[in-house]
Amino acid sequence: EVQLVESGGGLVQPGRSLRLSCTASGFTFGEYTMSWVRQAPGKGLEWIGFIRGGVDGATTEYAASFKGRFTLSRDDSKSIAYLQMNSLKTEDTALYYCLRQSGGYWGQGALVTVSS
Amino acid sequence: DIVMTQSPDSLAVSLGERATINCKSSQSVLNSSNKMNYLAWYQQKPGQPPKLLIYWASARESGVPDRFSGSGSGTDFALTISSLQPEDVAVYYCQQYYSPSYTFGQGTKLEIK
Repeated sequence: EVQLVESGGGLVQPGRSLRLSCTASGFTFGEYTMSWVRQAPGKGLEWIGFIRGGVDGATTEYAASFKGRFTLSRDDSKSIAYLQMNSLKTEDTALYYCLRQSGGYWGQGALVTVSS
Repeated sequence: DIVMTQSPDSLAVSLGERATINCKSSQSVLNSSNKMNYLAWYQQKPGQPPKLLIYWASARESGVPDRFSGSGSGTDFALTISSLQPEDVAVYYCQQYYSPSYTFGQGTKLEIK
């Protein structure tokens, strides 16, 4: 069974950094592209980016609004995908999901609250 | 980035009636090489992550009831629920995965009339 579990969320002050993890199981993690999507309270889905797997060798794509401030990485030996978020703003408060687009598998999300 | 625009923003339909949600992309998401439309539909219920319903614009995900269907090509797409059931109350999103930036529509809230 495919499972994705996000961790690392919490309360953080504006301007600080936070790294989220997405631990995968139930499939050969290294072969798949992993994506991140966020959802602000009461709002819609916002695609952040993805990191390719397999022969494409961990290359990344980002939505324009996240380039330079958010960074995706992965550790295939541990089956973990990471989302590094820097210079956080109050408007980054959201539930952050990792997903495997192929097959439509989503985690339950990690809540990030940016507040002083 | 490709902009995805859904209509309407909200919809109220009687039980057993048809519900149709539209999605328009700012540029074509049809791959001319493989003739596939890079368009998915998701259903999201409160407190849950989105659930994939439809991919390649019209392919139903395994386990999704056949009352859900997707149609369209190029820039204009639709999700149709042929006979609305109480469990279909949710927010529905379209998403394009044609360009490297996989944008979502703003969502359509579906309710029972």
